[in-house]
Amino acid sequence: GQQVMQIPQYQHVQEGEDFTTYCNSSTTLSNIQWYKQRPGGHPVFLIQLVKSGEVKKQKRLTFQFGEAKKNSSLHITATQTTDVGTYFCAGGVGNFNKFYFGSGTKLNVKP
Amino acid sequence: DGGITQSPKYLFRKEGQNVTLSCEQNLNHDAMYWYRQDPGQGLRLIYYSQIVNDFQKGDIAEGYSVSREKKESFPLTVTSAQKNPTAFYLCASSQVGSYEQYFGPGTRLTVT
Repeated sequence: GQQVMQIPQYQHVQEGEDFTTYCNSSTTLSNIQWYKQRPGGHPVFLIQLVKSGEVKKQKRLTFQFGEAKKNSSLHITATQTTDVGTYFCAGGVGNFNKFYFGSGTKLNVKP
Repeated sequence: DGGITQSPKYLFRKEGQNVTLSCEQNLNHDAMYWYRQDPGQGLRLIYYSQIVNDFQKGDIAEGYSVSREKKESFPLTVTSAQKNPTAFYLCASSQVGSYEQYFGPGTRLTVT
């Protein structure tokens, strides 16, 4: 069945270092979203990507959607302690509002 | 919390009992979802609904049931048939045609 794999599972960085998490789908996606979940909280929407090869930036965060629409990445430049949390990708298939979440990457930032 | 409320925040039940988790939204969204999150894992889709009086099974629907009698409400019942019900349950909504999901604060269910 449909799967979205996400790596790495954990990442520990020193404040100021960069961070990247990757998602790969077994099938072509129609769209992909990224969410952030703070410890003890619920996922909060960050961004959505729809077009092949799309790149979007939000301040220190850069999101990419692969040319084949099967992979995506989130890159954070110069991490800060406020970036701590778990980052999830969620891939959409077809025109339906149904999404497959990756297992998440838990980011810890040491001050 | 994006106009979605879930109650209660923590719920404790004895094994063999059915329990219903509440989810209400005032965002006028057509689509609603229930996810289950286990420690260190991603979200797995239990049920989703794109319109009132209609819903579809997600990837792990066994042992769960839902109803969608009103646009604002999408309650989830965890039945005694669910073999491992202890988890964090998240409700979400979105507008049909939009991919952005708004999540509620979640209900942490513990069954002993």
